[in-house]
Amino acid sequence: GAGVSQSPRYKVTKRGQDVALRCDPISGHVSLYWYRQALGQGPEFLTYFNYEAQQDKSGLPNDRFSAERPEGSISTLTIQRTEQRDSAMYRCASSLGAGMGNREAFFGQGTRLTVV
Amino acid sequence: DAKTTQPNSMESNEEEPVHLPCNHSTISGTDYIHWYRQLPSQGPEYVIHGLTSNVNNRMASLAIAEDRKSSTLILHRATLRDAAVYYCILKAGNAGNMLTFGGGTRLMVKP
Repeated sequence: GAGVSQSPRYKVTKRGQDVALRCDPISGHVSLYWYRQALGQGPEFLTYFNYEAQQDKSGLPNDRFSAERPEGSISTLTIQRTEQRDSAMYRCASSLGAGMGNREAFFGQGTRLTVV
Repeated sequence: DAKTTQPNSMESNEEEPVHLPCNHSTISGTDYIHWYRQLPSQGPEYVIHGLTSNVNNRMASLAIAEDRKSSTLILHRATLRDAAVYYCILKAGNAGNMLTFGGGTRLMVKP
């Protein structure tokens, strides 16, 4: 596609439910990143993949959060037993090569998650 | 990752140049200087990056101090559409690293 696509754009869920957020990166991009952004704050790193391998998950806040990218393309971020504090904008980004050091990263429009 | 320091906010008049400063006194020799911006209700957008030399592209210019401990993003003629949060980020050049965002500078452009 033309850019990084995330779905759904908005998700309202009840506390205790599981949610799955999807990211479709730019075709051919090796690296895929998940960020979380609270209102008025900069994006906070969660995890990233090179191809299908999860390289770093140090930003995942607890074991209710997990992510996968089984075929090295589309990725899913899953939050189990959601809590109100999980409410935020979840953003996905991709870059052509491994790592963001000297490469441009492209961000999606995000999924706004609200836990009620 | 080395830390960057930016002013919380800046104001500019439309059609005038804007100089957004960033201090990064603990930068290492392999760190690239990246700038991203985030328009209201949008995801972050790449602006420019550099290592040692000044860089120009269609969006902006990046001026890097000789000792690399500071840099300045230059928007040559601010427009209302440039109103955004601008993030200055240091990133090691080796593979496998992500961007770590700070608070950024909120740029307000007055007509």
